[in-house]
Parts: sequence; structure tokens; C-alpha cells
Amino acid sequence: GAVVSQHPSRVICKSGTSVKIECRSLDFQATTMFWYRQFPKQSLMLMATSNEGSKATYEQGVEKDKFLINHASLTLSTLTVTSAHPEDSSFYICSARDSPYVRGDVETQYFGPGTRLLVL
Amino acid sequence: SQELEQSPQSLIVQEGKNLTINCTSSKTLYGLYWYKQKYGEGLIFLMMLQKGGEEKSHEKITAKLDEKKQQSSLHITASQPSHAGIYLCGAPLGSARQLTFGSGTQLTVLP
Repeated sequence: GAVVSQHPSRVICKSGTSVKIECRSLDFQATTMFWYRQFPKQSLMLMATSNEGSKATYEQGVEKDKFLINHASLTLSTLTVTSAHPEDSSFYICSARDSPYVRGDVETQYFGPGTRLLVL
Repeated sequence: SQELEQSPQSLIVQEGKNLTINCTSSKTLYGLYWYKQKYGEGLIFLMMLQKGGEEKSHEKITAKLDEKKQQSSLHITASQPSHAGIYLCGAPLGSARQLTFGSGTQLTVLP
């Protein structure tokens, strides 16, 4: 099946610094990628939808200036956590879809292995 | 309330026992995904159901989709310790068909 990679798998940073997480589709072109966050013992919460060549769509309550998303190519989306604070510590997972949204279709989404962020 | 409700939240079973996890949607289901996750790791795709009445099996795991009831069930037969983990259902409920996830079911299988 299709493969999505994330880098780094783990990152520890100091409060106030910025951290960039990469999400790559390795063997397909992803017109749409999604970023999720997962807190301990909780389910995945969608943060934003990233479309190649256009601005990301953020879910309610997610600060777009804090979580910068760039989808510059069909195989790469990046999430930058700016001025990270301890409460941003979480598990971040991306997923990628290999076909444009078409009403009535159920597309396959492929998930990356996740990035664990710890902000000290 | 959540758009996708999973039950039970946690389940502890003895090895060899059968079990069922349910996922109920508050919206019309155009498809449903089941994933397994070990804490701190990525999601392992189990199966995707697209049509009402569809049933799929993979090894000892079977999932069904009941479109009318807006729910899906995941059934594990003769559970093994390797089945332990968090099971998540996800459905494309968003306007851009982004996945919404249920709260997850933590499964423990005792040897």
C-alpha cells in the first residue's frame, strides 16, 4: 500500500522555539493532506486540511498563526509549531489522500507514523 | 456530543474469547474506516467499508457496516494478546471528507 512518512519521529525542544514537522507521501501524489493531534489516552483530533498550492483550512479552535501549514508540493506538507509551549506537547499525525475529493466516493487515506513533540 | 461514538471505551478479555466493538455515527455514513493503534505509534489500517450491509474480514477480524443504523461493528474471534491495542473508527464526515474519529476502544487481552 501507499506509504506516508513523517520526520522527525520524536523531537524535544525548549519553550519558545519553533519546530517543523514534515509529512511526505513516498509513492503517490497527495493533493490533500491532513494534520491531526492526539493527546494521551485520547482520540485523534483534526487540526487542519492542507491542499497543495492553496492555504490550509483550520478546524475551529486551532490557531493558524501558531500552527503554520505549508503544502508546497504534491508530496510534502509541513507543520510548524511556532513559539512552542509545554501545552503543545502532543503526538502529531498526518494523513494523505491520493485523489481529489469527489462527492459520493470514499477515498483511501494513508497515515504517517506520527511525531511525538515534547516541549520543555 | 461526539459525531462518532465508540463503545465500549475499554475492554478486557481473556485470550480466546470473542469480542465486539461498536461505532455509531450521528450523521449519514458514506463509508467507515477501522484502524488499530498502539499508544504513541501510527495508525494501522484494518479495513474500509463503503456500502451498507458490507462485511469484510481480515484474519480473525470482521467488520460490518449498517448504513441505515449509521453504525459499524468490529468483531474479533478467538482473541489473542497480539490483538491488544486501541481500535479507532473513522468516517469522512467533514465537508472535505476529512476523517472524524471515534474516541477509541482500548482492548486488553489477558493470556
